Amino acid sequence: SQQGEEDPQALSIQEGENATMNCSYKTSINNLQWYRQNSGRGLVHLILIRSNEREKHSGRLRVTLDTSKKSSSLLITASRAADTASYFCATDHNNAGNMLTFGGGTRLMVKP
Amino acid sequence: DAGVIQSPRHEVTEMGQEVTLRCKPISGHNSLFWYRQTMMRGLELLIYFNNNVPIDDSGMPEDRFSAKMPNASFSTLKIQPSEPRDSAVYFCASSPGLPSYEQYFGPGTRLTVT
Repeated sequence: SQQGEEDPQALSIQEGENATMNCSYKTSINNLQWYRQNSGRGLVHLILIRSNEREKHSGRLRVTLDTSKKSSSLLITASRAADTASYFCATDHNNAGNMLTFGGGTRLMVKP
Repeated sequence: DAGVIQSPRHEVTEMGQEVTLRCKPISGHNSLFWYRQTMMRGLELLIYFNNNVPIDDSGMPEDRFSAKMPNASFSTLKIQPSEPRDSAVYFCASSPGLPSYEQYFGPGTRLTVT
Protein backbone atom coordinates (compact mmCIF):
# COMPACT_ATOMS: atom_id res chain seq x y z
CA SER A 1 0.00 0.00 0.00
CA GLN A 2 1.19 3.51 -0.66
CA GLN A 3 2.36 5.46 2.34
CA GLY A 4 2.53 8.91 0.83
CA GLU A 5 -0.35 10.50 -0.98
CA GLU A 6 0.21 13.63 -3.01
CA ASP A 7 -2.24 16.41 -3.45
CA PRO A 8 -3.24 17.64 -5.95
CA GLN A 9 -2.95 14.82 -8.47
CA ALA A 10 -2.49 17.38 -11.24
CA LEU A 11 -1.54 21.05 -11.26
CA SER A 12 -1.38 23.50 -14.14
CA ILE A 13 0.20 26.93 -13.72
CA GLN A 14 1.77 29.71 -15.76
CA GLU A 15 5.49 30.20 -15.97
CA GLY A 16 6.69 32.43 -13.17
CA GLU A 17 4.05 31.32 -10.71
CA ASN A 18 4.77 29.24 -7.64
CA ALA A 19 3.73 25.59 -7.47
CA THR A 20 2.86 23.90 -4.20
CA MET A 21 2.42 20.17 -3.84
CA ASN A 22 1.45 18.36 -0.67
CA CYS A 23 2.15 14.90 0.66
CA SER A 24 0.50 13.07 3.53
CA TYR A 25 1.67 9.87 5.15
CA LYS A 26 0.40 7.52 7.79
CA THR A 27 3.16 6.15 9.99
CA SER A 28 6.30 7.50 11.64
CA ILE A 29 9.20 8.24 9.35
CA ASN A 30 12.93 8.71 9.51
CA ASN A 31 12.96 11.06 6.57
CA LEU A 32 10.88 12.17 3.63
CA GLN A 33 12.24 12.64 0.13
CA TRP A 34 10.92 14.33 -2.99
CA TYR A 35 11.62 13.01 -6.46
CA ARG A 36 10.92 14.31 -9.92
CA GLN A 37 10.10 12.28 -13.02
CA ASN A 38 10.17 13.68 -16.52
CA SER A 39 8.03 11.90 -19.07
CA GLY A 40 9.64 8.65 -20.16
CA ARG A 41 12.46 8.89 -17.64
CA GLY A 42 13.42 7.49 -14.28
CA LEU A 43 12.88 9.34 -11.03
CA VAL A 44 15.47 11.84 -9.89
CA HIS A 45 16.07 12.72 -6.26
CA LEU A 46 15.42 16.38 -5.44
CA ILE A 47 15.64 16.90 -1.73
CA LEU A 48 15.51 15.06 1.59
CA ILE A 49 14.15 16.34 4.87
CA ARG A 50 14.74 14.48 8.12
CA SER A 51 12.06 13.93 10.73
CA ASN A 52 13.72 16.42 13.10
CA GLU A 53 13.77 19.17 10.48
CA ARG A 54 10.90 21.51 9.69
CA GLU A 55 12.06 23.26 6.56
CA LYS A 56 14.73 22.86 3.93
CA HIS A 57 15.74 24.82 0.85
CA SER A 58 17.55 23.90 -2.33
CA GLY A 59 17.65 26.52 -5.05
CA ARG A 60 14.05 27.25 -6.05
CA LEU A 61 12.77 24.35 -3.96
CA ARG A 62 11.42 24.69 -0.45
CA VAL A 63 10.25 21.67 1.52
CA THR A 64 8.41 21.74 4.80
CA LEU A 65 7.63 18.86 7.13
CA ASP A 66 5.01 18.75 9.87
CA THR A 67 5.38 15.46 11.71
CA SER A 68 2.41 16.23 13.97
CA LYS A 69 0.17 16.36 10.91
CA LYS A 70 2.17 13.73 9.03
CA SER A 71 2.43 15.98 6.03
CA SER A 72 4.99 17.67 3.83
CA SER A 73 4.87 20.28 1.11
CA LEU A 74 7.10 21.01 -1.84
CA LEU A 75 7.15 24.57 -3.13
CA ILE A 76 8.73 25.42 -6.45
CA THR A 77 9.16 29.17 -6.78
CA ALA A 78 9.25 31.12 -10.04
CA SER A 79 8.35 28.04 -12.05
CA ARG A 80 9.70 27.42 -15.52
CA ALA A 81 8.34 25.36 -18.41
CA ALA A 82 11.22 22.95 -17.77
CA ASP A 83 9.73 22.19 -14.34
CA THR A 84 6.92 20.30 -16.08
CA ALA A 85 7.13 16.79 -14.66
CA SER A 86 5.59 14.49 -12.08
CA TYR A 87 6.68 14.95 -8.48
CA PHE A 88 6.65 12.16 -5.91
CA CYS A 89 7.14 12.09 -2.20
CA ALA A 90 8.76 9.03 -0.67
CA THR A 91 8.89 8.05 2.96
CA ASP A 92 11.49 6.05 4.80
CA HIS A 93 9.69 4.28 7.58
CA ASN A 94 11.17 3.63 10.94
CA ASN A 95 12.62 0.10 11.09
CA ALA A 96 12.13 -0.44 7.36
CA GLY A 97 15.77 -0.47 6.48
CA ASN A 98 16.38 1.53 3.37
CA MET A 99 13.09 0.83 1.65
CA LEU A 100 11.11 3.84 0.44
CA THR A 101 7.39 4.00 -0.15
CA PHE A 102 6.35 6.32 -2.95
CA GLY A 103 3.11 8.22 -3.30
CA GLY A 104 1.02 8.48 -6.44
CA GLY A 105 2.63 11.72 -7.58
CA THR A 106 1.51 15.17 -8.68
CA ARG A 107 1.62 15.94 -12.39
CA LEU A 108 2.78 19.53 -12.80
CA MET A 109 2.39 21.40 -16.04
CA VAL A 110 4.01 24.81 -16.36
CA LYS A 111 2.73 26.72 -19.35
CA PRO A 112 5.13 29.11 -21.07
CA ASP B 1 29.78 7.53 -13.28
CA ALA B 2 27.28 6.23 -15.83
CA GLY B 3 24.46 5.92 -13.33
CA VAL B 4 22.16 2.93 -13.09
CA ILE B 5 22.11 1.03 -16.37
CA GLN B 6 19.13 -0.99 -17.51
CA SER B 7 18.66 -3.16 -20.55
CA PRO B 8 16.83 -3.50 -22.75
CA ARG B 9 15.17 -0.07 -22.89
CA HIS B 10 12.19 -1.48 -24.74
CA GLU B 11 10.90 -5.02 -24.96
CA VAL B 12 7.96 -6.29 -26.93
CA THR B 13 7.08 -9.93 -26.51
CA GLU B 14 4.21 -12.30 -26.95
CA MET B 15 2.20 -13.72 -24.11
CA GLY B 16 3.79 -16.84 -22.71
CA GLN B 17 7.34 -15.88 -23.54
CA GLU B 18 10.09 -15.45 -20.96
CA VAL B 19 11.32 -11.92 -20.36
CA THR B 20 14.57 -11.00 -18.63
CA LEU B 21 15.31 -7.46 -17.55
CA ARG B 22 18.83 -6.47 -16.52
CA CYS B 23 20.27 -3.88 -14.21
CA LYS B 24 23.73 -2.65 -13.34
CA PRO B 25 23.68 -0.52 -10.17
CA ILE B 26 26.02 2.33 -9.39
CA SER B 27 29.35 1.03 -8.17
CA GLY B 28 29.61 1.09 -4.40
CA HIS B 29 25.88 1.12 -3.77
CA ASN B 30 24.82 -1.68 -1.47
CA SER B 31 21.07 -1.68 -2.09
CA LEU B 32 19.16 -2.44 -5.27
CA PHE B 33 15.46 -2.05 -5.92
CA TRP B 34 13.11 -3.22 -8.66
CA TYR B 35 9.94 -1.18 -9.27
CA ARG B 36 7.06 -1.42 -11.69
CA GLN B 37 5.14 1.65 -12.86
CA THR B 38 1.74 1.73 -14.53
CA MET B 39 -0.89 4.42 -14.90
CA MET B 40 -3.37 2.39 -12.90
CA ARG B 41 -1.19 1.32 -9.97
CA GLY B 42 1.53 3.95 -9.92
CA LEU B 43 5.02 3.02 -8.75
CA GLU B 44 5.18 -0.34 -6.98
CA LEU B 45 8.19 -1.83 -5.22
CA LEU B 46 8.65 -5.41 -6.36
CA ILE B 47 11.76 -6.51 -4.48
CA TYR B 48 14.91 -5.09 -2.97
CA PHE B 49 18.34 -6.41 -2.13
CA ASN B 50 20.89 -5.38 0.49
CA ASN B 51 24.44 -6.56 -0.17
CA ASN B 52 23.12 -8.90 -2.87
CA VAL B 53 20.67 -10.59 -0.48
CA PRO B 54 16.91 -10.31 -1.13
CA ILE B 55 15.34 -8.53 1.83
CA ASP B 56 11.72 -7.97 0.90
CA ASP B 57 10.00 -9.61 -2.06
CA SER B 58 6.45 -9.10 -0.83
CA GLY B 59 5.75 -6.88 -3.82
CA MET B 60 6.47 -9.59 -6.37
CA PRO B 61 3.03 -10.19 -7.84
CA GLU B 62 3.21 -13.89 -8.58
CA ASP B 63 5.49 -16.87 -8.85
CA ARG B 64 5.94 -15.93 -12.47
CA PHE B 65 8.27 -13.17 -11.28
CA SER B 66 11.73 -13.88 -9.96
CA ALA B 67 14.76 -11.70 -9.27
CA LYS B 68 18.40 -12.47 -8.69
CA MET B 69 21.49 -10.54 -7.75
CA PRO B 70 24.46 -12.84 -8.28
CA ASN B 71 26.98 -10.10 -7.50
CA ALA B 72 27.17 -6.46 -6.50
CA SER B 73 27.19 -5.21 -10.07
CA PHE B 74 24.34 -7.10 -11.69
CA SER B 75 20.71 -8.02 -11.14
CA THR B 76 17.98 -9.58 -13.24
CA LEU B 77 14.21 -9.58 -13.07
CA LYS B 78 12.62 -12.48 -14.92
CA ILE B 79 9.00 -13.00 -15.89
CA GLN B 80 8.07 -16.49 -17.01
CA PRO B 81 5.57 -16.86 -18.58
CA SER B 82 4.72 -13.26 -19.41
CA GLU B 83 1.13 -12.01 -19.61
CA PRO B 84 -0.39 -8.83 -21.14
CA ARG B 85 -1.06 -7.44 -17.66
CA ASP B 86 2.69 -7.41 -17.03
CA SER B 87 2.99 -4.57 -19.53
CA ALA B 88 4.55 -1.66 -17.63
CA VAL B 89 7.73 0.30 -17.18
CA TYR B 90 10.17 -1.51 -14.91
CA PHE B 91 12.71 0.56 -13.04
CA CYS B 92 15.82 -0.48 -11.23
CA ALA B 93 17.26 1.82 -8.57
CA SER B 94 20.30 1.63 -6.35
CA SER B 95 21.16 3.33 -3.10
CA PRO B 96 24.32 3.86 -1.10
CA GLY B 97 22.36 3.34 2.11
CA LEU B 98 23.15 5.33 5.24
CA PRO B 99 22.72 8.07 6.05
CA SER B 100 20.04 9.19 3.61
CA TYR B 101 18.91 6.18 1.60
CA GLU B 102 18.58 8.36 -1.48
CA GLN B 103 17.76 6.22 -4.50
CA TYR B 104 19.17 6.58 -7.99
CA PHE B 105 16.91 5.33 -10.73
CA GLY B 106 17.77 3.84 -14.07
CA PRO B 107 16.00 4.92 -17.27
CA GLY B 108 13.58 2.00 -17.09
CA THR B 109 12.56 -0.82 -19.40
CA ARG B 110 9.25 -0.40 -21.17
CA LEU B 111 7.73 -3.88 -21.48
CA THR B 112 4.84 -4.62 -23.79
CA VAL B 113 3.33 -8.09 -23.75
CA THR B 114 0.92 -8.76 -26.60
